[in-house]
Amino acid sequence: AQSVTQPDIHITVSEGASLELRCNYSYGATPYLFWYVQSPGQGLQLLLKYFSGDTLVQGIKGFEAEFKRSQSSFNLRKPSVHWSDAAEYFCAVDRVAGNTPLVFGKGTRLSVIA
Amino acid sequence: EAGVTQFPSHSVIEKGQTVTLRCDPISGHDNLYWYRRVMGKEIKFLLHFVKESKQDESGMPNNRFLAERTGGTYSTLKVQPAELEDSGVYFCASSLTSGIYTYEQYFGPGTRLTVT
Repeated sequence: AQSVTQPDIHITVSEGASLELRCNYSYGATPYLFWYVQSPGQGLQLLLKYFSGDTLVQGIKGFEAEFKRSQSSFNLRKPSVHWSDAAEYFCAVDRVAGNTPLVFGKGTRLSVIA
Repeated sequence: EAGVTQFPSHSVIEKGQTVTLRCDPISGHDNLYWYRRVMGKEIKFLLHFVKESKQDESGMPNNRFLAERTGGTYSTLKVQPAELEDSGVYFCASSLTSGIYTYEQYFGPGTRLTVT
């Protein structure tokens, strides 16, 4: 069965510092990969996705993620964090072309300090 | 264009009562999904509609949960009778299928259900 691991439950970074959130998946083939963000009081917003092609994908709000097949990873990065990035981040995988249920990691809560 | 909407945003009910959650997907999206996040756990799939038909309901926890999608538009998720372990945030998502390609899922804000 597919699984997604986000090893960091909570991360605190200083505003302006760089950020990397880790995500590892377990699946026999290359899945479709997503990062979602949930800000307080909001729903899940899609940050970026990887379906195929270039393994470095750009998303909204200055985020990017890199797919590494050899490491079964899809880590999310941002070069300079803003206070408004404080939220919970979810990595998810999809087995087939978007028409199957997403499997989520447990989420990583990001706190940003001045 | 309106996103996925869910109603109510919060619901507090007593054990044994009935609650009905509603989801309105993005207009034109054939796929509608329900997910649930229990506190401290990951978001888990409940079921998937394609238009008005249940494509996959493998994630439904038991027969106290009943989902419907009238006319392939909005969907309701009824919990009857509610138990304490049903507390959590219920998310709805929708996606568009065009030809053989299905696009990413867009999520609603969720309904926070508290069973006391």
